[in-house]
Order: sequence, then C-alpha cells, then structure tokens
Amino acid sequence: DGGITQSPKYLFRKEGQNVTLSCEQNLNHDAMYWYRQDPGQGLRLIYYSQIVNDFQKGDIAEGYSVSREKKESFPLTVTSAQKNPTAFYLCASSIQGSGTEAFFGQGTRLTVV
Amino acid sequence: KNQVEQSPQSLIILEGKNCTLQCNYTVSPFSNLRWYKQDTGRGPVSLTIMTFSENTKSNGRYTATLDADTKQSSLHITASQLSDSASYICVVYDSNYQLIWGAGTKLIIKP
Repeated sequence: DGGITQSPKYLFRKEGQNVTLSCEQNLNHDAMYWYRQDPGQGLRLIYYSQIVNDFQKGDIAEGYSVSREKKESFPLTVTSAQKNPTAFYLCASSIQGSGTEAFFGQGTRLTVV
Repeated sequence: KNQVEQSPQSLIILEGKNCTLQCNYTVSPFSNLRWYKQDTGRGPVSLTIMTFSENTKSNGRYTATLDADTKQSSLHITASQLSDSASYICVVYDSNYQLIWGAGTKLIIKP
C-alpha cells in the first residue's frame, strides 16, 4: 500500500521531556511537511523539506527540530523548549510544484501531562 | 497579509439536505485553491482543486466554485449523507507554492 504513515497515533509526554514523532512515506515524494493543528485554527506549518538533507522553518518552528536523512523519512522532535506542545500533529508529502496535492498521514495527538 | 477565511465556523443540517460552505481569501498573487475534507482525528483528504481560470468543478456530490475577481470560493454538497460529517478546509496556494490554510467549517449531518 502506498501512503504516508505517522506513528504513534497517541503520545503522552511529561513536561520537560523531548519526544520524536515519526513520519514515513513510500510515495517517492520529494517534499515533506509538518503541521500543527489546534482547535478552531487552520493548519500551521512547522517545518518543511523539499529535498534530502535540506529543510526550512515554517511559521511556528520554535521549540521543534527535524531531520531529513532519507527521502522516505521526516521525523519531528518536540523539545522541552516548546511552551505549549499539546496538539494534533500532521505530516504530509507532495510532488514538487504548484498546486500539487498534499497527502497526509493520520496524525499524532500529543498530550503533555 | 495572506489570509483564508471560512464561514460558517460550524453547520448542522439534516441528512438529505444540501449545504454551501464559503471561503474568502486575500492571497495575492493567487495560484490555485483546494478543498480538503478532514474526518475527526484523521488527516485531510483532497476533494477538488481549482485554478485561476476555472469557475466550477465537481467531484460526485461535491461542487466547488471559484470567483477569482471577488476572491471567493464555495463548496456545495448535494443530498448530504451521514458520512459527510467532517471538517472542510479551504487552502490557497500562492505563486511561491506556499499553502495558506483556512480554519475549516465543521459540518454535522443529523439523521
């Protein structure tokens, strides 16, 4: 099955701990994205990567870090510096180019306890 | 500032009825616009894409319209079904291929 897989679906973290969210795609897409979704708000871009070993900050990158060592994988680390990390995190991938469809994973709901 | 505003914020209708969701944008220059459907707790899935020159596009019971002059788009759902209950999100692509997302309209279909 081709697609984009996020894991885990639910994640609980204690305050002060770093946590890494996994995102893997087998669609052979060059571009990958991480979004954060909060109730009543649009998706907000955290980081994106258009090619292996390169990534760019989005609108709300503070407190997050990413890596893109392989085309298929784009893990997101939520660090202890992120002040309000409880949210729904969505990973997406797309072919490069204007208006190309972004394919999303099923999301990871992170709760800080 | 590039923005996408959607209305209403939420909508409840009876099964079988039609409804129309609105999307106004201030993105300029504009490349194209997509409507996504997002079921609760899942990732969004694309419904339609519209370019600058297109006025109407259909996908089954979903029909999207675009007025590039007034910078408005609508999504019309015909003969609603319980499975249409979801959030519908409008996203506009600017000329730099950046995506500007609306906050979505939460649609609830009641039997």
